[in-house]
Amino acid sequence: GNSVTQMEGPVTLSEEAFLTINCTYTATGYPSLFWYVQYPGEGLQLLLKATKADDKGSNKGFEATYRKETTSFHLEKGSVQVSDSAVYFCALSELPDMRFGAGTRLTVKP
Amino acid sequence: DVKVTQSSRYLVKRTGEKVFLECVQDMDHENMFWYRQDPGLGLRLIYFSYDVKMKEKGDIPEGYSVSREKKERFSLILESASTNQTSMYLCASTLLAGEGDTQYFGPGTRLTVL
Repeated sequence: GNSVTQMEGPVTLSEEAFLTINCTYTATGYPSLFWYVQYPGEGLQLLLKATKADDKGSNKGFEATYRKETTSFHLEKGSVQVSDSAVYFCALSELPDMRFGAGTRLTVKP
Repeated sequence: DVKVTQSSRYLVKRTGEKVFLECVQDMDHENMFWYRQDPGLGLRLIYFSYDVKMKEKGDIPEGYSVSREKKERFSLILESASTNQTSMYLCASTLLAGEGDTQYFGPGTRLTVL
């Protein structure tokens, strides 16, 4: 069956550091891939997505590339800010199946 | 902007009580979902609905039921609450059933069963 495995946290970085959160997936077909972010006290919101192989999703300085050969969708940001502190979820959609990773908590310190 | 609202942010109930969690979306979305979120487990799908009066089981439907009488409203029901149902419950909706469709989430209801 389908599944998502993402890097365990928590991750603590200093402001302006480089961020990578690893995500790999297992799927029977060709799913769409997502990164969602959850800020304290809120629900999840879409950060970026990619719907086919080699697509790159990007938003707010975050990027992730759909790599079919390595079944990965790693999240990166060149310079994190304190305001990026949140929990990040990798997810795949091959409807009706929707799978989420366990979440990675990121804390950015000034 | 899409808005998904949930009836309560925090709820405390006793074992054996019947619990109703309400979710309303205001963008005429076809599909609605209920998840529970637990530390280290991510989000797990309880039930989803593709249309009014339609429902499908997710991965963990045991102990739960749902109701969708109107397009904008999707209710999660715990028939007899138990302590292992203490969790964060998230509702979500999407416009279409396409695989690239974004899910829009409510703020969540943190349920504690004593």
